[in-house]
Amino acid sequence: LAKTTQPISMDSYEGQEVNITCSHNNIATNDYITWYQQFPSQGPRFIIQGYKTKVTNEVASLFIPADRKSSTLSLPRVSLSDTAVYYCLVGLSGGYQKVTFGTGTKLQVIP
Amino acid sequence: GAVVSQHPSRVICKSGTSVKIECRSLDFQATTMFWYRQFPKQSLMLMATSNEGSKATYEQGVEKDKFLINHASLTLSTLTVTSAHPEDSSFYICSASQRETYNEQFFGPGTRLTVL
Repeated sequence: LAKTTQPISMDSYEGQEVNITCSHNNIATNDYITWYQQFPSQGPRFIIQGYKTKVTNEVASLFIPADRKSSTLSLPRVSLSDTAVYYCLVGLSGGYQKVTFGTGTKLQVIP
Repeated sequence: GAVVSQHPSRVICKSGTSVKIECRSLDFQATTMFWYRQFPKQSLMLMATSNEGSKATYEQGVEKDKFLINHASLTLSTLTVTSAHPEDSSFYICSASQRETYNEQFFGPGTRLTVL
């Protein structure tokens, strides 16, 4: 299983763009990169998933360089409600494939 | 679509009793379900993987006789914490994946277990 490394915590002011980078040096060829958001006492919520280059949806963008050894989650114009823990997961090339959660990044949005 | 529910959302029990937690996929057939445990301010730790109709595969260090997992149908998996003790108090989360979108896992809302 590919191991991921993320910053433990980040602070940002409301309205700013936040970029959280995840390192996954031993990512396998078939692995997807998936980001989840978790609020206290709730299950993780899917944010975005990608395999290579750039993916954008209504809440975030995901940038993946050509070597795929890292990825960056970009949250545009964060608000206080974006305060949460963000996890980067690598794997899921098959639904029955287990994944390992890293430490996650605790994002604190400041008014 | 792809909603996973858990029941109960919160349970308090006495030490020595057994507690069953249900995980259901509401609008899809879950070929594989995963059970995680999360202690305060820590990340999710995978406990076991279960495939419908077969025995669960437990992670190293997880006692299979203490944490009984049953995945009897494509929409239901249960986790039974047997003879619970205070150290079993934790947040238990399940996730499910389906054959059609194999590269996604859908997480339940979690169950808070407190053992007195």
